[in-house]
Amino acid sequence: KQEVTQIPAALSVPEGENLVLNCSFTDSAIYNLQWFRQDPGKGLTSLLLIQSSQREQTSGRLNASLDKSSGRSTLYIAASQPGDSATYLCAVRQGNLIFGKGTKLSVKP
Amino acid sequence: DAGVIQSPRHEVTEMGQEVTLRCKPISGHNSLFWYRQTMMRGLELLIYFNNNVPIDDSGMPEDRFSAKMPNASFSTLKIQPSEPRDSAVYFCASSQQDAQETQYFGPGTRLLVL
Repeated sequence: KQEVTQIPAALSVPEGENLVLNCSFTDSAIYNLQWFRQDPGKGLTSLLLIQSSQREQTSGRLNASLDKSSGRSTLYIAASQPGDSATYLCAVRQGNLIFGKGTKLSVKP
Repeated sequence: DAGVIQSPRHEVTEMGQEVTLRCKPISGHNSLFWYRQTMMRGLELLIYFNNNVPIDDSGMPEDRFSAKMPNASFSTLKIQPSEPRDSAVYFCASSQQDAQETQYFGPGTRLLVL
């Protein structure tokens, strides 16, 4: 059974810092991996989708990498801002989407 | 497009009552998903429709839960009778074509069963 783990569960950084969020999964037979952002009381917003054949995707200050063989993905956020504060979830597609429990990020001004 | 629309946004009910959650997917999307999010278990898929047909309902916890999609623009998730352990945030999401595409989530319905 596929399990998705995100460490740390919470992270607090000062504004301007570059940071990395980690995601690991136990079964490498995935179609793709997605990173989502969830703001308090809101739904999820898709940030980046990496197909299983790809190594990374970039959008603005965000860069996501995928190492399928080792079952790992990272989300790199450059020059963090207070507006980046949210919970970040990764999800792997293996048939359906299987989510990690997220990393709650707080960026302090 | 207004995005995925869910109603109600908040629901408080008493144990044993029937609860109906509603979802309107993004126009043109033909896949619809119902998820449940709790602190303990995170986000879990309950059921997935493609072209209004239930494809995978293995995540539906028990017979008290049922979901329908009578047409391409409307779906319901019903809990009858509700129990306190059903308290959670229920999300609806939709995507184009099939489950391979990016899913777009609604704002969720926060359910509290007393």
